[in-house]
Amino acid sequence: KNEVEQSPQNLTAQEGEFITINCSYSVGISALHWLQQHPGGGIVSLFMLSSGKKKHGRLIATINIQEKHSSLHITASHPRDSAVYICAVPLTNFGNEKLTFGTGTRLTIIP
Amino acid sequence: NAGVTQTPKFQVLKTGQSMTLQCAQDMNHEYMSWYRQDPGMGLRLIHYSVGAGITDQGEVPNGYNVSRSTTEDFPLRLLSAAPSQTSVYFCASSYTGSRYSPLHFGNGTRLTVT
Repeated sequence: KNEVEQSPQNLTAQEGEFITINCSYSVGISALHWLQQHPGGGIVSLFMLSSGKKKHGRLIATINIQEKHSSLHITASHPRDSAVYICAVPLTNFGNEKLTFGTGTRLTIIP
Repeated sequence: NAGVTQTPKFQVLKTGQSMTLQCAQDMNHEYMSWYRQDPGMGLRLIHYSVGAGITDQGEVPNGYNVSRSTTEDFPLRLLSAAPSQTSVYFCASSYTGSRYSPLHFGNGTRLTVT
């Protein structure tokens, strides 16, 4: 059983829809990363959060530390949001030293 | 500002050959790491470093060697390539001063071992 599980594995939606991607984890301390992997393969950091909610443009990330669950929301989705979204959880109290990753959610937004 | 630079982008090796994947960052990050990404699996940590002269093993270190002689560079060496090492490799860096620092990734190296 993966220590970090994402759902759904694949998601196809129409442009403009509200998107939710979930991440549940059984290990880790009290922080979580959300990453975006572009179709070309590059990976960028979207959010790093340890409590509550963070917002950046149309992206919103929430985390519930007690329930070990995080969600990534995309409002007014656009085809350029098509990517693989990955969550990662640190296994130690020492920052990013040992991260364990989910297998990713592949999001496709159809115009 | 280049960020994290990985070279080469693509590489084909024969079984038994050795090579070094290069990773350099210009953000003065203490933490650097190497991951491999295989189909259907999450990124897996190979080796990491929290500063010059300090390295440690990750989840899948066998067959790989690292050193960190400067803050900027963190090369990954394949000692004797095997087909099981066919993968996409990513280098990443971040600050360690703050517990929760964003990761900065290189663009990846696609390695094929025949």
